Amino acid sequence: ETGVTQTPRHLVMGMTNKKSLKCEQHLGHNAMYWYKQSAKKPLELMFVYNFKEQTENNSVPSRFSPECPNSSHLFLHLHTLQPEDSALYLCASSQEGQGGMYGYTFGSGTRLTVV
Amino acid sequence: AQSVTQLGSHVSVSEGALVLLRCNYSSSVPPYLFWYVQYPNQGLQLLLKYTSAATLVKGINGFEAEFKKSETSFHLTKPSAHMSDAAEYFCAVSDRRGATNKLIFGTGTLLAVQP
Repeated sequence: ETGVTQTPRHLVMGMTNKKSLKCEQHLGHNAMYWYKQSAKKPLELMFVYNFKEQTENNSVPSRFSPECPNSSHLFLHLHTLQPEDSALYLCASSQEGQGGMYGYTFGSGTRLTVV
Repeated sequence: AQSVTQLGSHVSVSEGALVLLRCNYSSSVPPYLFWYVQYPNQGLQLLLKYTSAATLVKGINGFEAEFKKSETSFHLTKPSAHMSDAAEYFCAVSDRRGATNKLIFGTGTLLAVQP
């Protein structure tokens, strides 16, 4: 596989469930990102990982817990979510140290519905 | 700090008409600028990027953008719209401070193409 792969593509979960979103990149990048995209709202950067270390957490509620075991994999663990957490969750990767020349490569996203 | 402003959250054109999507940026350093396209329930796909080479940048699907420093603009154009161009378009600027590669996204412009 090439590019950035996100699984699952769709997820429906109850507010008391625990689930995880997975992102894998096959580009040799060393930075990975989680974004939340809600209807009629701008893209929200949630977390940034550079070389497996979390470098940014934009005041995300603790019911979202990221994990980056290596530069190729990124997870978002979910528990006790609220209906307002329903959104498209996007993963992206990039090559750090390049001064931002190449931008990000995005996955296709996970459409999350909390019921 | 770097930022981008996309004028017009919704743009509607007729098939075959010119497409013009506006983006203005603010940056304290020479910017790297990007346009992304997002189709429904998909991730963002890179259309084109400006990284201080030619000011007129050609991208995929017949789109192009011109970097105008005097106007701090990076508008996206396409001479003749196709139905398949209906999507949401995001302008982004790269935060080039240090080794950070964070992209700052605009709020998006939804393009509708009428038959």
